[in-house]
Amino acid sequence: AQSVAQPEDQVNVAEGNPLTVKCTYSVSGNPYLFWYVQYPNRGLQFLLKYITGDNLVKGSYGFEAEFNKSQTSFHLKKPSALVSDSALYFCAVLTDSWGKLQFGAGTQVVVTP
Amino acid sequence: KAGVTQTPRYLIKTRGQQVTLSCSPISGHRSVSWYQQTPGQGLQFLFEYFSETQRNKGNFPGRFSGRQFSNSRSEMNVSTLELGDSALYLCASGRDYTDTQYFGPGTRLTVL
Repeated sequence: AQSVAQPEDQVNVAEGNPLTVKCTYSVSGNPYLFWYVQYPNRGLQFLLKYITGDNLVKGSYGFEAEFNKSQTSFHLKKPSALVSDSALYFCAVLTDSWGKLQFGAGTQVVVTP
Repeated sequence: KAGVTQTPRYLIKTRGQQVTLSCSPISGHRSVSWYQQTPGQGLQFLFEYFSETQRNKGNFPGRFSGRQFSNSRSEMNVSTLELGDSALYLCASGRDYTDTQYFGPGTRLTVL
């Protein structure tokens, strides 16, 4: 069964420093991987996805993610974090079941000024 | 292009009542999925519809049901509400199930 894991409940980073949010996956076959962000009392906003191709995927708001097949990881990165990046981040994998995204537990990112 | 809309945004119900939530997908999207988000269980898949057909259902009791109309709008219904049904219900749409799913703002359901 497809699954993703986000090993960190919370990531703290100072504004201007690099931000990394970790995600590992377990799938049979080729993975379809996604990152979403959720602000308080809001729905999920799509950031980026990996289907195939380049291992470095660029997304919205300056985020990027690196797909690593050998380590089964799909870490989200941003070179310079902003206070406004403080939010809940979810990694997800598209399962082999129609329309079903399997989400990780989420990582709370806190960016301090 | 307008995003996914969900109505109502907030609902307060009492145990035993039933509720209907509505979702309007992005224009041109035919796949609509529903998810339940709670602090304890996280994001859980409820069901997916495509062209008025339910193609997939998550592990939820039969009290949870849904449907999709010919214009791709979708509704989900929860009957005989329980306290544990209090959650944020999220709807997402895509062109098909392999496409990116775009989420609406959610409906916050509180069961008293």
